[in-house]
Amino acid sequence: SQQGEEDPQALSIQEGENATMNCSYKTSINNLQWYRQNSGRGLVHLILIRSNEREKHSGRLRVTLDTSKKSSSLLITASRAADTASYFCATATGANSKLTFGKGITLSVRP
Amino acid sequence: DTEVTQTPKHLVMGMTNKKSLKCEQHMGHRAMYWYKQKAKKPPELMFVYSYEKLSINESVPSRFSPECPNSSLLNLHLHALQPEDSALYLCASSQGFFDRGTGELFFGEGSRLTVL
Repeated sequence: SQQGEEDPQALSIQEGENATMNCSYKTSINNLQWYRQNSGRGLVHLILIRSNEREKHSGRLRVTLDTSKKSSSLLITASRAADTASYFCATATGANSKLTFGKGITLSVRP
Repeated sequence: DTEVTQTPKHLVMGMTNKKSLKCEQHMGHRAMYWYKQKAKKPPELMFVYSYEKLSINESVPSRFSPECPNSSLLNLHLHALQPEDSALYLCASSQGFFDRGTGELFFGEGSRLTVL
């Protein structure tokens, strides 16, 4: 069963704009991760934020975590056409930090 | 070498066939995973091997049979599949069991399976 639910399900923006994607989850987590998947390809790990962290940055990526609201957001700044992909949040839960993926968000960046 | 290699990339099989999917990594990772992904859906965990031992089986039907011959290789043996088993099968690896350290799973490009 899915733990994370991304919002919106689809997002279309112009190149250069910022893209914000949200993820909500139901149970307590050890960490939350974001992955990118280009059409028909494998997933690529983008960033991980632990349950005791509130914000992390990696290049053009900024992720926040609000454990009180059980939600996370991923911000991609200055988007590029190459950012067009599906983005999944994944929550690590339980003693073994098993990873469960959300439904995903389809991001389209128009040149 | 930060790569997980999956073969074949595409596989078409009949319901009575027996085939295998293969996955290989040379990053020294000790945990390997099989995920199944249907179109426009998230990956769903099937199996996890940790130190070459099966650690998680997500109640997968017995027509899917995993095998981990050594720490670098992971196979998924397929037999008597159904058309609804058609999907992208993704292999992943990590340094440790769901890697509590970096947390990063490294994925292969997947094997797209079509069952006729």
